[in-house]
Amino acid sequence: NAGVTQTPKFQVLKTGQSMTLQCAQDMNHEYMSWYRQDPGMGLRLIHYSVGAGITDQGEVPNGYNVSRSTTEDFPLRLLSAAPSQTSVYFCASSYRGSRTDTQYFGPGTRLTVL
Amino acid sequence: AQSVTQPDIHITVSEGASLELRCNYSYGATPYLFWYVQSPGQGLQLLLKYFSGDTLVQGIKGFEAEFKRSQSSFNLRKPSVHWSDAAEYFCAVHDAGGTSYGKLTFGQGTILTVHP
Repeated sequence: NAGVTQTPKFQVLKTGQSMTLQCAQDMNHEYMSWYRQDPGMGLRLIHYSVGAGITDQGEVPNGYNVSRSTTEDFPLRLLSAAPSQTSVYFCASSYRGSRTDTQYFGPGTRLTVL
Repeated sequence: AQSVTQPDIHITVSEGASLELRCNYSYGATPYLFWYVQSPGQGLQLLLKYFSGDTLVQGIKGFEAEFKRSQSSFNLRKPSVHWSDAAEYFCAVHDAGGTSYGKLTFGQGTILTVHP
């Protein structure tokens, strides 16, 4: 199993550009989520999904869109990038998202918005 | 709302010395607690987790953590640190209420530097 994969690893955008961060998992996990990591703030939840066709907002959803058309994929879209979205983005997945499930994290995407 | 505090932003220890990383949480019910490690340029790896039962939990890489309800703490320990332990460590609590599936609340992280 490849686990949780993310592409790209690095990305530089200009303010106002759009892009999609890709996340895929091959563990047949129902639950997937996106976090952003900023210095001194730990990881904060952006959006999550409990299954194909079901998504919900996390702590910091503004400026981001998600959809979940398949179990395997959970892309994160930046509609109009802003410098405040410069961060490291992590995708995670778990079996069902219950409290006892271990969450597996991808290697991250480092995004810089100029 | 739940919260997690890691009071130490940066800790430096010598190789072979013991280590304790502090974590305090605020949560109304029984917490589900986790420690993750992030090596430079890598994703997060689960070290250990506490759900219930024995308050001393063992994890990978020789780490252990003790849950103390009276102190709202879940400190991470290792008796002898190796240079490869240099990384950033995150404590997290699971928001298990209602429809909050899988929502982890993380602390700010503690960066561990290991001197030879």
